[in-house]
Amino acid sequence: QVQLVQSGAEVKKPGASVKVSCKASGYTFTSYYMHWARQAPGQGLEWMGIINPSGGSTSYAQKFQGRVTMTRDTSTSTVYMELSSLRSEDTAVYYCATAGGTTLWFDPWGQGTLVTVSS
Amino acid sequence: QSVLTQPPSVSGAPGQRVTISCTGSSSNIGAGYDVHWYQQLPGTAPKLLIYGNTNRPSGVPDRFSGSKSGTSASLAITGLQAEDEADYYCQSYDSSLGGVVFGGGTKLTVL
Repeated sequence: QVQLVQSGAEVKKPGASVKVSCKASGYTFTSYYMHWARQAPGQGLEWMGIINPSGGSTSYAQKFQGRVTMTRDTSTSTVYMELSSLRSEDTAVYYCATAGGTTLWFDPWGQGTLVTVSS
Repeated sequence: QSVLTQPPSVSGAPGQRVTISCTGSSSNIGAGYDVHWYQQLPGTAPKLLIYGNTNRPSGVPDRFSGSKSGTSASLAITGLQAEDEADYYCQSYDSSLGGVVFGGGTKLTVL
């Protein structure tokens, strides 16, 4: 079955960077886009961007332009999301999720990775 | 402030019917982009509930249904059960922003 497994929780200091991984299995990795979204404690979902694992093209939400980088490794069916210049407001659970395209639904989702930014 | 507007909370007694609205604008739902719905149980990742406005994935009970009209969409849950207590999110695409947008989420309480 299709499964997305994310890397473990991280604790970072303000100004640092974090790189979260999302390993896909159970389907052809290059056939589906991968989205990233986050959820701050007690808050709603926020879309961060999308990567096409086939060619590596990306599109980022305006809010994160210049701070986020999404990459992929087709040899390991893994996508990565790196967020730089971390601040306390970036403390959140970060999710990856597959989709057939930018306007289509997310299914399935990874289990989530908690990133805590604290001095 | 989310681009898609949902009520913060709804509630209903077991067996009752509740609806959750998702209001957008001419650059997202009103532009013809599909609406998708997710259920998020406490401490877990969101799970797809409705896709393409009205379609249920395999395994989702037919107590859940979706609809869309104009710049809004709705999720209806009939025969409420205690296990339905969760947060619900709508999602669409916004052409002005050039990306995915979510509603702010609705907490469903089963009384």
